[in-house]
Amino acid sequence: DIVMTQTPLSLSVTPGQPASISCKSSQSLLHSDGKTYLYWYLQKPGQSPQLLIYEVSSRFSGVPDRFSGSGSGTDFTLKISRVEAEDVGVYYCMQRIHLPSTFGPGTKVDIK
Amino acid sequence: EVQLVESGGGLVKPGGSLRLSCAASGFTFSNAWMSWVRQAPGKGLEWVGRIKSKTDGGTTDYAAPVKGRFTISRDDSKNTLYLQMNSLKTEDTAVYYCTTTYYDFWSAYRDYWGQGTLVTVSS
Repeated sequence: DIVMTQTPLSLSVTPGQPASISCKSSQSLLHSDGKTYLYWYLQKPGQSPQLLIYEVSSRFSGVPDRFSGSGSGTDFTLKISRVEAEDVGVYYCMQRIHLPSTFGPGTKVDIK
Repeated sequence: EVQLVESGGGLVKPGGSLRLSCAASGFTFSNAWMSWVRQAPGKGLEWVGRIKSKTDGGTTDYAAPVKGRFTISRDDSKNTLYLQMNSLKTEDTAVYYCTTTYYDFWSAYRDYWGQGTLVTVSS
């Protein structure tokens, strides 16, 4: 199975400041079709996960442009340019290139 | 509006069985590959398994911890996804989400999750 790791596992951010989460996979997520199957989800307290970023860097419909994704191969990053109070929750990276799909352990973000 | 509504969760004893349902609406269910993801209390997300659309073969894949005990099926006439869980263990205690992801007719990416249903395995 592909192992997904995330750093840091927790993050406390002042509103208006940037935040960054790293995700690394144990194998390349680049498929022969040219796509890289790396996704970012946010699970707000008491809610189902919601997609933020798909295929490394494509922002999902309705996601604010303060969220951005980057990376390639096995190293990926989610950046929030200016954290807002509504961004609190647990952020997960996920891979879908190989079964079983696997998630990172999650990064808990809260507001200072 | 797309909706995925899970039901069927509850308290069951170790070794028991439970069937979860996920009623889908607002999209062409028969074309969708559907998945189950679970989340143990206070823990992270874990992929359980998936079923392809019948046009893509209707085959299923499972995570190792549930393979041989859980069965995913679908009834396209009822727009419903199922998760039959047998030989339940305490470690199967979790909120179970049904989810789907696809590119729609206009090539827009879609990703939907239900609200989840809690399964508690305890004596």
